Amino acid sequence: DIVMTQSPDSLAVSLGERATINCKSSQSVLYSSNNKNYLAWYQQKPGQPPKLLIYWASTRESGVPDRFSGSGSGTDFTLTISSLQAEDVAVYYCQQYYSTPQVTFGPGTKVDIK
Amino acid sequence: EVQLLESGGGLVQPGGSLRLSCAASGFTFSSYAMSWVRQAPGKGLEWVSAISGSGGSTYYADSVKGRFTISRDNSKNTLYLQMNSLRAEDTAVYYCAKKTTHPEDWYFDLWGRGTLVTVSS
Repeated sequence: DIVMTQSPDSLAVSLGERATINCKSSQSVLYSSNNKNYLAWYQQKPGQPPKLLIYWASTRESGVPDRFSGSGSGTDFTLTISSLQAEDVAVYYCQQYYSTPQVTFGPGTKVDIK
Repeated sequence: EVQLLESGGGLVQPGGSLRLSCAASGFTFSSYAMSWVRQAPGKGLEWVSAISGSGGSTYYADSVKGRFTISRDNSKNTLYLQMNSLRAEDTAVYYCAKKTTHPEDWYFDLWGRGTLVTVSS
């Protein structure tokens, strides 16, 4: 299985400031034939199901605000919230889908307001 | 409205059984592979099982293989998870999730609100 790790476990950021979450996979999730990284990001607010934010490491899902961006390749990825809003308080998960359908998720990063 | 609605959770004793259902609406259910993903209290997400759109292919996490069975009834737009020989570590909120349209891409663009399964004596 591909093991996903995330850092930090939690972070507190002031409103309007940047939040950065890291995700690392135990093996590359870059598919060489199409040069796509099989990595997604989800947001889970308290008491709610996860919501898809980003797929292919950097493609925003329809309707997701452009303050959310994804980057990285191979084994190292980053989710950035460029200007944190109050409604962004949530736990964020990365997920690899290189090894399918037995996908795996990272342990999550909790984002709070400082 | 596009949505998934789980039901069937509850309290069950260790060794017992439970069947979860997930009713889909607002999209062509039979065209999409589906999965169950669970979340233990205060913990992260764990993929449990998946099934192709036709129901002809099924997949399981090692932690549930041989105990859980995924199925679907496309005439009823409903996904199921039969859970047998339940253990305390199966306690979790169980979400059904719709796989994206892209054939090779197993990420999930629609999730239900989940149903809580508690295994305890």
